[in-house]
Amino acid sequence: AQTVTQSQPEMSVQEAETVTLSCTYDTSENNYYLFWYKQPPSRQMILVIRQEAYKQQNATENRFSVNFQKAAKSFSLKISDSQLGDTAMYFCAYSTDSWGKLQFGAGTQVVVTP
Amino acid sequence: NAGVTQTPKFQVLKTGQSMTLQCAQDMNHEYMSWYRQDPGMGLRLIHYSVGAGITDQGEVPNGYNVSRSTTEDFPLRLLSAAPSQTSVYFCASSYGRQLTDTQYFGPGTRLTVL
Repeated sequence: AQTVTQSQPEMSVQEAETVTLSCTYDTSENNYYLFWYKQPPSRQMILVIRQEAYKQQNATENRFSVNFQKAAKSFSLKISDSQLGDTAMYFCAYSTDSWGKLQFGAGTQVVVTP
Repeated sequence: NAGVTQTPKFQVLKTGQSMTLQCAQDMNHEYMSWYRQDPGMGLRLIHYSVGAGITDQGEVPNGYNVSRSTTEDFPLRLLSAAPSQTSVYFCASSYGRQLTDTQYFGPGTRLTVL
């Protein structure tokens, strides 16, 4: 069975600074997909970034980038130039399907302070 | 487009009662899923559907039934509610045709079983 582990329950960062969230996963599959979702206090789940395992290039989306280490089964998220609106719970997720059937980690609460 | 809608937003049930959580999408998405989110945990997949008339079990299906008679709707039925089913329930959908397809989540239903 695949598992997704987020070892940091909470991270605090000041505005404009950078924070990195860690995620490790366990799988025997060679092809799979990894995601980071953001859940603000509104409870809405918002896709932040996605990575296909067969792509060696790390995905980036504006201020968000990932460090994907396939051999180490590691998928960290870096938030650069943090903004107050980045305050949210961040979930790492794994799927063998591009469209869904997600397995989530327990989440990391990110708090951005002025 | 309204996106993914869920009703009700909040619900309180007594143990043993049954009810249906509604989920609808107007994006002509083939893939729909139900997840539950418990405190301190990520979302867990309950059931999913890859098209009208096709459903399958996820990670935590016990106590829940689903059906998919139309592309638009994917209701989740609790047959005999138990306190362990107290959770926030999310419905999600995606078109599923492309690797870059995005999964859209509904706003969630907070269910309390007394």
